[in-house]
Formats: sequence, C-alpha cells, structure tokens
Amino acid sequence: AQSVTQLDSQVPVFEEAPVELRCNYSSSVSVYLFWYVQYPNQGLQLLLKYLSGSTLVKGINGFEAEFNKSQTSFHLRKPSVHISDTAEYFCAVTWDTGRRALTFGSGTRLQVQP
Amino acid sequence: DSGVTQTPKHLITATGQRVTLRCSPRSGDLSVYWYQQSLDQGLQFLIQYYNGEERAKGNILERFSAQQFPDLHSELNLSSLELGDSALYFCASSVSGTSGSEQFFGPGTRLTVL
Repeated sequence: AQSVTQLDSQVPVFEEAPVELRCNYSSSVSVYLFWYVQYPNQGLQLLLKYLSGSTLVKGINGFEAEFNKSQTSFHLRKPSVHISDTAEYFCAVTWDTGRRALTFGSGTRLQVQP
Repeated sequence: DSGVTQTPKHLITATGQRVTLRCSPRSGDLSVYWYQQSLDQGLQFLIQYYNGEERAKGNILERFSAQQFPDLHSELNLSSLELGDSALYFCASSVSGTSGSEQFFGPGTRLTVL
C-alpha cells in the first residue's frame, strides 16, 4: 500500500535556528508532493507543492522543500524559524495511479522556543 | 481564508444518533473531498465527489455516507454514532479533482460523541 512517513513526531528548536522536517513516501512513480501546516484550532494551509520540474520548491513563510526521487523523500526546511512557526506540519502525497486523494503522514509538531 | 466553508463548527451529540456535516467548496471548484482527523488514526481520506458524482472512496465506514448536490455543496452523513467517531472532519475542494490539483481545506467540524 502507498504510504507516507514522517519520522519525527515532535521537533523542538530555538528561535532563529534552522529546522528540517523529514518526509518519506513509499513509491516514486508519478508522485505529487505537498506540505501543509495546521495552526491550533484551524484548518490545513498549503505551504508548498511539488508537481514537476525543479526539485527545489519554495513556499510561503520562508519554507522550502527538496524532492529526492532516489531517496523517495521530500524534506521541509527553513533556515531561521520564528515563534509563530509553532504548529503541526503534514506531508501529503498523491499518486497518478489509483486514488487521487491526499495520503497524509502522521504529522510533525514543530515547537519553537525563545 | 481558503474560501471553503463548513458548518457547523462544533457538534456535540450522543451515541446512536445521526448528524449531517455541510461543506461549500470554493467558487469554481468542482471536486469535494472529506477527511477525518483523529488522535489515533491521524488524517484519513473518506470520500471524494466530482461534479455530483462519487469519484473515490477511502476509509469510509458503511455507517457514513455523503453526496454532492447540483450547486456543488456537499454533505457528510454520519449515523449510529459511536464514541470513536469523535474527530475533526475536514472538507477540501479543488478545481479538477486530479492528482496534482491543489486542495483547499475548510476550517473543519469538530464532532464530539458522548
């Protein structure tokens, strides 16, 4: 079955430090990759997406991610985090074959400390 | 604001009851998806509609059903409710319903079954 793995359930980091949130998926055949952020008591907001083309994707709020086909990974990075980045981050994938809905990872809670 | 609206925001009900959750997609979007977010199962895809027709089914229980109306709004019906159905239910919409199509999420309906 197609799956998405977020290896870290929680990532504590100090303000202004860099951060990487990891995401791996089960198959690289015709994938579309997304990162969503969920602030407390809110819905999901798209941070960035990879559909095709350049493997380095830039998103909102200074986030970026790199698609690595050989590693089947799509890690999210930010060079300098702010307190306001504290939230839950979800990696999601759709595959061109089969179901077209999003398959989500289990989420990573980013906790930015002053 | 994603442009996707969901009502009600909160719903508290008892076991064995039936409830209806409503979703209005963004203007111009033809596809609607329903997702369930719970602490033990994470974010799971339930069902997708495209222009009034069911397009894909995920982990949707037989006690649950959905439909999309001619004006493109959608309703998710949950019946014979159990304690384990307590969760946040999200609706998302997209223009085309294809794999790479960005999905915009509503704020969710929090269902509590007592």
